[in-house]
Amino acid sequence: GENVEQHPSTLSVQEGDSAVIKCTYSDSASNYFPWYKQELGKRPQLIIDIRSNVGEKKDQRIAVTLNKTAKHFSLHITETQPEDSAVYFCAASKLSGKSTFGDGTTLTVKP
Amino acid sequence: DGGITQSPKYLFRKEGQNVTLSCEQNLNHDAMYWYRQDPGQGLRLIYYSQIVNDFQKGDIAEGYSVSREKKESFPLTVTSAQKNPTAFYLCASSIGPGSNQPQHFGDGTRLSIL
Repeated sequence: GENVEQHPSTLSVQEGDSAVIKCTYSDSASNYFPWYKQELGKRPQLIIDIRSNVGEKKDQRIAVTLNKTAKHFSLHITETQPEDSAVYFCAASKLSGKSTFGDGTTLTVKP
Repeated sequence: DGGITQSPKYLFRKEGQNVTLSCEQNLNHDAMYWYRQDPGQGLRLIYYSQIVNDFQKGDIAEGYSVSREKKESFPLTVTSAQKNPTAFYLCASSIGPGSNQPQHFGDGTRLSIL
C-alpha cells in the first residue's frame, strides 16, 4: 500500500520567515496531493492541492511543488504569521479516492 | 462549513459496550470516509465508501463496522472488539472516486473509555 512520510514533525520559525514542509510517497499510482491545516481541536481544512500533471502551484503566501520522479512534494509558506500556527498534513490520493496521510507537522510561528 | 455533521462531539464507552458515531452530509457527495486520529499522529483510514450500499476496509478496520444505506449517512460502530478505542474520530466526504477532489471533514467525535 501507499506510505507517506512527512518531515519535520515540528517546526518553529520567527514571524516573517519562510516555512517548508516535505513529504515523500511510495506508490506511483498516487496522482493527487492535498495539504490540510488543522488548528487545535478543529477539523482539517484544505489549504492547497496539486495534481500529478502539474509541477508547482501558488496561492498568495502558500505554494506547493511536486517532483513525480523523486516521489516527493513540499509545502512552502512565505511571510509567516502567528495565525499560520497549526498542524499541517500532507496526503497522497489515488483515483479510487483512498488517501494516505502523513503524520503531520506542528508549525509554531513566534511573534 | 456545515456540510458534514458529526455527533456526538464527546462520547464515553463502557467496557464491553458497542457505540455508534453519526456522520451526515448534505453535500451530495458519493464518497465518505472514517479516520482515527491519535495524539501526534496523522489520520488513519478505518473504512471508506465510494457509493451507497458499498464500503471497503481501510488500514485499521479491525474492531469497527460501518453501513452505507443512504447517500448522506455513514455511521461508524466501535465494537467491544476494539481494545483501544480512545481517540478522535473524523468523518469526511468527497465528490467521488476518479475526480481527485479534496475531502471535506466534520468537526469530529472524541471517544473515551469510562
